[in-house]
Amino acid sequence: GDSVTQMEGPVTLSEEAFLTINCTYTATGYPSLFWYVQYPGEGLQLLLKATKADDKGSNKGFEATYRKETTSFHLEKGSVQVSDSAVYFCALSKDFDQGGSEKLVFGKGMKLTVNP
Amino acid sequence: GAGVSQSPRYKVAKRGQDVALRCDPISGHVSLFWYQQALGQGPEFLTYFQNEAQLDKSGLPSDRFFAERPEGSVSTLKIQRTQQEDSAVYLCASSLAPGTYEQYFGPGTRLTVT
Repeated sequence: GDSVTQMEGPVTLSEEAFLTINCTYTATGYPSLFWYVQYPGEGLQLLLKATKADDKGSNKGFEATYRKETTSFHLEKGSVQVSDSAVYFCALSKDFDQGGSEKLVFGKGMKLTVNP
Repeated sequence: GAGVSQSPRYKVAKRGQDVALRCDPISGHVSLFWYQQALGQGPEFLTYFQNEAQLDKSGLPSDRFFAERPEGSVSTLKIQRTQQEDSAVYLCASSLAPGTYEQYFGPGTRLTVT
């Protein structure tokens, strides 16, 4: 079945450091790809998405590019802040016309701590 | 506006008891999903509703798990004869309609089976 593999951490960085969180996927067809984030004490929320190959999702200084040739969707940020401390989840979903129900398939998540 | 709400936020059940978990999606959202998140893991899909129709229940782990959304809004996840392995956070998410790609998650219900 479809699956997502991501860096698990935990990872601790200093403020203004560069961040990369690797994510690769296994899926038939053409899934949509997502990064969700869970801040301490809050629910999961969508950070960014890409729905087709070569699309780049971006939000709050984070970016990820849908690479079909490497089945990857790595998350990057050039300069992290203390407020970026959270758990990050990579996920995929498939539309109904691909036999999916738009359910999300998640990776295990990676906890990031950013120190001042 | 109001987001997705879930109740109770915490539930402790003795092994063998039945529990019911409630989800109030964002008003007007057609799609509703339930996920189970074990400690230290990513959420795993349980079931999906489009309005009142349960279109996918492939993730329900056993016939002890049952979900309904009778009027196409509020949903209830029921677990019968709870077991220790049912201990997890149960997340509900809703989205406006199929194809809109963004799911809005509730805070979850943490179920502990003793």
